[in-house]
Amino acid sequence: EIVMTQSPATLSVSPGDRATLSCTASESININLAWYQQKPGQAPRLLIYRASTRATDIPVRFSGSGSGTDFTLTINSLQSEDFAVYYCQQYNNWPRYTFGQGTKLEIK
Amino acid sequence: QVQLVQSGAEVKKPGASVKVSCKASGYTFTLYGITWVRQAPGQGLEWMGWISTYNGNTDYAQKLQGRVTLTTDTSRSTVYMELSSLRSDDTAVYFCARDMEVSDAWGQGTLVTVSS
Repeated sequence: EIVMTQSPATLSVSPGDRATLSCTASESININLAWYQQKPGQAPRLLIYRASTRATDIPVRFSGSGSGTDFTLTINSLQSEDFAVYYCQQYNNWPRYTFGQGTKLEIK
Repeated sequence: QVQLVQSGAEVKKPGASVKVSCKASGYTFTLYGITWVRQAPGQGLEWMGWISTYNGNTDYAQKLQGRVTLTTDTSRSTVYMELSSLRSDDTAVYFCARDMEVSDAWGQGTLVTVSS
């Protein structure tokens, strides 16, 4: 099973600043990596797929990068609605996904 | 618009089974598989399994093999997830999601509580 590790577990950032979230795979997953945002009481929302492609209606302040084992989600000019939990997901072994444990982005 | 609507919350006793439905609308049902993911209280996301709505092929998480069954009813555009021999650590919100390598549409979630 491919293990996905996210860091940090919690990230405190001020509104208007930039947040950088990391995700590492236990083996190469090429660019088969997605990012999801989840707010309390809601289902996850797809943000990024193929490591760097924004999903429909996702603002340009969200960007993804990386390939192989190391990936990054960057959120520029943080808005109040961006404070949430973010999960990375590998689908190199589709349909056998694995998710990272999540990064909680909180207001500083 | 694409919608996945799940059945309501369930309370079950240990050892019982639960069956959750996921009704799709707003797209051609058989063009996308359905993935099931669960989330225990305060925890992360756990992939449970996948079903092809085209031919009924399935794949399940090894941890749940033998206890989880996914089925599809194309006449109703609905997928069902049945989990048997329930334990307290099966208490979670269960999500279905439209799948084409990534999950771009999700159900609202169904809380399943296992308690004696």
